Amino acid sequence: EVQLLESGGALVQPGGSLRLSCTASGFTFNIYAMAWVRQAPGKGLEWVSSISGGGFNTFYADSLKGRFTISRDDSQSTLYLQMRSLGVEDTALYYCAKATAYYYDNSWAWNFDLWGRGTLVTVSS
Amino acid sequence: QSVLTQPPSVSAAPGQKVTISCSGSTSNIGKNYVSWYQLLPGTAPKLLISDNDKRPSGIPDRFSASKSGTSAALGITGLQTGDEADYYCGTWDTSLNGFVFGPGTTVTVL
Repeated sequence: EVQLLESGGALVQPGGSLRLSCTASGFTFNIYAMAWVRQAPGKGLEWVSSISGGGFNTFYADSLKGRFTISRDDSQSTLYLQMRSLGVEDTALYYCAKATAYYYDNSWAWNFDLWGRGTLVTVSS
Repeated sequence: QSVLTQPPSVSAAPGQKVTISCSGSTSNIGKNYVSWYQLLPGTAPKLLISDNDKRPSGIPDRFSASKSGTSAALGITGLQTGDEADYYCGTWDTSLNGFVFGPGTTVTVL
């Protein structure tokens, strides 16, 4: 079955760290770009970070100010998000998404065509 | 504050049509491909439209989309109660070097 399964969400104190994982199955993980997208309570979707197939290129939302690091282990079909200096504003449901991404005719296309069910991160004292 | 603009909500009666607009700029919609996502309560987001106007396998043809200049639009015809959800446009922003989602539009079936 084609699926993504996130884990690692937890209650953490402000200033703390957390590592999220996303295990993929049912498709050739290493050839696809992957991404993390979050949704804070009562808010919309917010793109967090993306990583290219093979992990050669990484992209981050400016709002993260260098606190998050995306990585992947293709041998384990697993995507990671290392989060540091967490603040209450990072409280959200974090989704892992598979991306079909390509650059054509001077334009980028990023289509998040498979999503996990999310893992909840709560930052609170 | 998103760099893309969507109406907060749209509504129509069952069987009718709604259109959701998504407005951006030359660094995002005007330059790159747009995708659309449906977020039903309590479920994972679903890709509805890829590459401006293409429906992935399994998406009914009641859903359609277009792009012109720095704006895009999603149309839903034959509205059903099961279409009540939040809808998001998204695209790559070349100036930000990252992906951006619109703020989302809630569709209500009257």
